[in-house]
This record gives sequence, C-alpha cells and structure tokens, in this order.
Amino acid sequence: GENVEQHPSTLSVQEGDSAVIKCTYSDSASNYFPWYKQELGKGPQLIIDIRSNVGEKKDQRIAVTLNKTAKHFSLHITETQPEDSAVYFCAAIAKRFAGNQFYFGTGTSLTVIP
Amino acid sequence: DGGITQSPKYLFRKEGQNVTLSCEQNLNHDAMYWYRQDPGQGLRLIYYSQIVNDFQKGDIAEGYSVSREKKESFPLTVTSAQKNPTAFYLCASGPENTEAFFGQGTRLTVV
Repeated sequence: GENVEQHPSTLSVQEGDSAVIKCTYSDSASNYFPWYKQELGKGPQLIIDIRSNVGEKKDQRIAVTLNKTAKHFSLHITETQPEDSAVYFCAAIAKRFAGNQFYFGTGTSLTVIP
Repeated sequence: DGGITQSPKYLFRKEGQNVTLSCEQNLNHDAMYWYRQDPGQGLRLIYYSQIVNDFQKGDIAEGYSVSREKKESFPLTVTSAQKNPTAFYLCASGPENTEAFFGQGTRLTVV
C-alpha cells in the first residue's frame, strides 16, 4: 500500500522567513496530493493541492511542488506570519478497488516566532 | 450552511462501554471517512464508505464499527473491544478523487 513520509516533524522559523515541509510517497499510482493545516483542537483544513499532471502550484504565500520521478512533494510558505503556526499534513490519494484512500503524513508542527 | 458536522465535541466513556460518534454532511458527497489522530502519529484510517450501505475497513478497524444507511450520515461506534480508545476522532467527506472536507473532531476520553 501507500506510505507517506513527512519531514521535519517540528519546524521553527522567524516571522518573515520561509518554511519548507517535504513529503515522499511510495505508490506511483497516487495522483492527487493535498496539504492540510490543523489548528489546535480543530479539524484539518485544505490549504493547497496539486495533481500529478502539474509540477508546481502557487496561491499567494503558499506554493507546492511535485517531482513525480522522485516521488516527493513539498510545501513552501513565504513571508511567514504568526498565524501560520499550526500542524501541517501532507497526503497522497491512491485509487483502490473499493474507492479512493487518503494516506497522510505524520504532520509538521510549525511555529512562527514573532 | 453546507458542511460536515461532528458531535459531540467531547465524549467520556467508561470502561466496557460502547459509544457512538456522530458525523453528518450536507455536501452531497458520496465518500465518507473516519480517522483517528494520536499525538505524533498523524491520521490513521478506521473505516471509509464510498456509497450508501457499503463500507470498507481501513488500517485500524479493530474495535470499531460503522453504518451508512443514509448518504448524509456515517456514525462510528467505539466498542468495548477497542482497548485504547482515548484519541481525537475526525470524520471527513469528499467527492471522488479530490480533497476531503473534515469535521471539527470529537475528543474521546476513557474515564
């Protein structure tokens, strides 16, 4: 089955600096890669996603890159702000006979220091 | 408003007791999912359902049961067979091959 690894598990950056979180996946059939932000005590919320036919996608301060050959994808947050502090999860979706399954990374706890 | 609603937000279970967590969505999504979240372990899939009256076991289904009698509803029962049920439970729904929308979670504690 699919296996998604996420690094680092914790990340601290100064306000205004960039943050990069990296994930690798194992199933070459995976074709959709969302990123979620989870604030304390709340459910994860989608912040950006990318499909396997695209190499990069950007939305204001957030960008995601995908390298299908190497099976890795990364989240880039520029000009970080204190409100970016949260846990971030990457995911890969793999099609199974009984339907799609999401496989999540173990999360990165990002702290932006004012 | 459209969305996915989990209830209750906090739930306490006594040893040997079954409890049921509610998940309702009005987004007209076919697929619904239950995940368990423990510190440092990310989200682990318990059960998922792609269509009414059908569901599949995920990676950690032992000690849990579900039903999908209506498209809008996917309740999760944590049975007494689940030896370590204290966790944060997340329900999600989604159309096929796109993002999952999550509820706000239920924190279950064994007392």
